[in-house]
Parts: sequence; C-alpha cells; structure tokens
Amino acid sequence: DTAVSQTPKYLVTQMGNDKSIKCEQNLGHDTMYWYKQDSKKFLKIMFSYNNKELIINETVPNRFSPKSPDKAHLNLHINSLELGDSAVYFCASSQDETEAFFGQGTRLTVV
Amino acid sequence: AQSVTQLDSQVPVFEEAPVELRCNYSSSVSVYLFWYVQYPNQGLQLLLKYLSGSTLVKGINGFEAEFNKSQTSFHLRKPSVHISDTAEYFCAVTTNAGKSTFGDGTTLTVKP
Repeated sequence: DTAVSQTPKYLVTQMGNDKSIKCEQNLGHDTMYWYKQDSKKFLKIMFSYNNKELIINETVPNRFSPKSPDKAHLNLHINSLELGDSAVYFCASSQDETEAFFGQGTRLTVV
Repeated sequence: AQSVTQLDSQVPVFEEAPVELRCNYSSSVSVYLFWYVQYPNQGLQLLLKYLSGSTLVKGINGFEAEFNKSQTSFHLRKPSVHISDTAEYFCAVTTNAGKSTFGDGTTLTVKP
C-alpha cells in the first residue's frame, strides 16, 4: 500500500504545453505539499495545503496552480511549460508538525 | 524566517568508517529538526527527528543525531557506514506553523 502516490512518474512534454501531476495520500493527513527538486538536488517548497486550504505559497510563477479537491488529493497543474520547469516534483503529506511522507517523485522534462 | 546550512556538499568515506554530516540552522522561532535520506531515483524518507526531550535521537539504519541548542546544530552521525548508505542526505527544520525548510543536501559516497 503506497502511502503517498503521484502520477505520472515520468513526464516529457514540449514547451508551451499544459500538464498536470496528480497526488494522493492514504495516511489521513491534513497537510499536503508540493516540492521542486532541481538538477543540483536542491529541494524547495512550492505549496502547502491544510484541509484543502492553501497555507503556504512560495514565490512560484502563477503558471503553477495547485488544486485540492479533498484533503487526500493535491494536484499540480502547470500552464505554458518552460525549459526551466524541468525538475523532479515531489508531493508530500504530514500531520501537524511531524515528519513529511514523500511520494516517489515525478520527473518532468520540458523539451 | 528560518534557514538550514549543510556544511558539506559531498562526503566521501570508506566502508566501515565513521561519518558525520553537519547541519546548522537559524530561526527566530522554535523549530523541529529532521534528517531525511534520498536514495537514487527515489523520494525522501525520514531517518530521524527531534521534537523535544532528549537531545540525542536515534534513527533508522544505525544513524543518530544530537541537537545542540547553543550551537544551533543537528549533526548526523553513524559509527560504521555501509556501501548501502550511499545517498543524498537532507537536514530540515519545521516551524509550528508547518513551514519546512530544507538544507541543500549532502552527498554521502561510501567506497569499498
């Protein structure tokens, strides 16, 4: 049973396209996150949702729009993809301030 | 605001040698401290955490870390490493508002 699952695992797309990454957690956690890991493996938080409400929105282009239909799901939609968006995107969840549980990542390559 | 500094970007060691991965943090509020490990092509998984209580915390795979409030450090140690410990290690802090900040990572390479 996968605790935090995200799909797809790999995504190759052309510049200018719109794509979505889905994330689901079956841990019953209230908080979900999206992180971006670049080619140097630096990890930066993008968004955080608590019970479907946005609580953290770091400096991220507004081409990135998270959507949380319920507290078990947090999807990431990206419009007008650019080369610089190529990275690994991780979804995670947590309960209160305890540790985060991460998905396996989605490797996005924009060509 | 908080920040995390991992003092070594790469640490090469020989198998069965001890290792220490250094982490310093700064924050204007109380934080919780974590170490995560990322194996190649995988997500991060928790090694250990400090929330309160004893400053020496033990985690999985024989790792331990010590919280030092005066030095604002949370260094990770293992007395004898294995080849399988080769991975990327991240130190992280989280505030009680739920905001997490990660260090830039330390690549541990264990050589035979």
